[in-house]
Amino acid sequence: AQSVAQPEDQVNVAEGNPLTVKCTYSVSGNPYLFWYVQYPNRGLQFLLKYITGDNLVKGSYGFEAEFNKSQTSFHLKKPSALVSDSALYFCAVRPFSSGSARQLTFGSGTQLTVLP
Amino acid sequence: DAGVIQSPRHEVTEMGQEVTLRCKPISGHDYLFWYRQTMMRGLELLIYFNNNVPIDDSGMPEDRFSAKMPNASFSTLKIQPSEPRDSAVYFCASRLQGGTSGANVLTFGAGSRLTVL
Repeated sequence: AQSVAQPEDQVNVAEGNPLTVKCTYSVSGNPYLFWYVQYPNRGLQFLLKYITGDNLVKGSYGFEAEFNKSQTSFHLKKPSALVSDSALYFCAVRPFSSGSARQLTFGSGTQLTVLP
Repeated sequence: DAGVIQSPRHEVTEMGQEVTLRCKPISGHDYLFWYRQTMMRGLELLIYFNNNVPIDDSGMPEDRFSAKMPNASFSTLKIQPSEPRDSAVYFCASRLQGGTSGANVLTFGAGSRLTVL
């Protein structure tokens, strides 16, 4: 069975500093990996995904994530945080060959707070 | 496109009442998902449809929950009778099938916040 771990419930960072939101996964075979963001009272919005190819994936709003197969990680990063980045971030995984698998598995979410 | 549209945005009801949540997916999307979000359990997949057919409902908590998709542009999630522990935000999401570029990305609605007293 596939699973996603987001070890930090809360990440605080000062505006202008780099940010990292951690994600590790477990899946049979090669993974599809995703990051979604949820702002208050809104649905989840897609940020970026890794399917294949370059391990560094660039997404919306200046975010990027690095796929590390040996560490089974897919950490979300941004070089310079903005107050408006404050939100709930979800990592998700599905197997490359999902067949009848239950589609995406989401992590528990990490609340990012960027302090002015 | 207006995105995935859910109604109502907020619902407050009393225990034992029937609740119906509605979803209009993005036109042309052939997968539709219902998720539930709570502080305790996070985001849970309840059921998903492909081409209007329920594929996997193993996440549905119990028989009080039912979901239908009578056509490609409409789905409902019904709870009867409702209980306080059903209080949560219910999300509908849709996506296209297959491929590797642009596909497999879920588009979520804004959610329906249900409070059962």
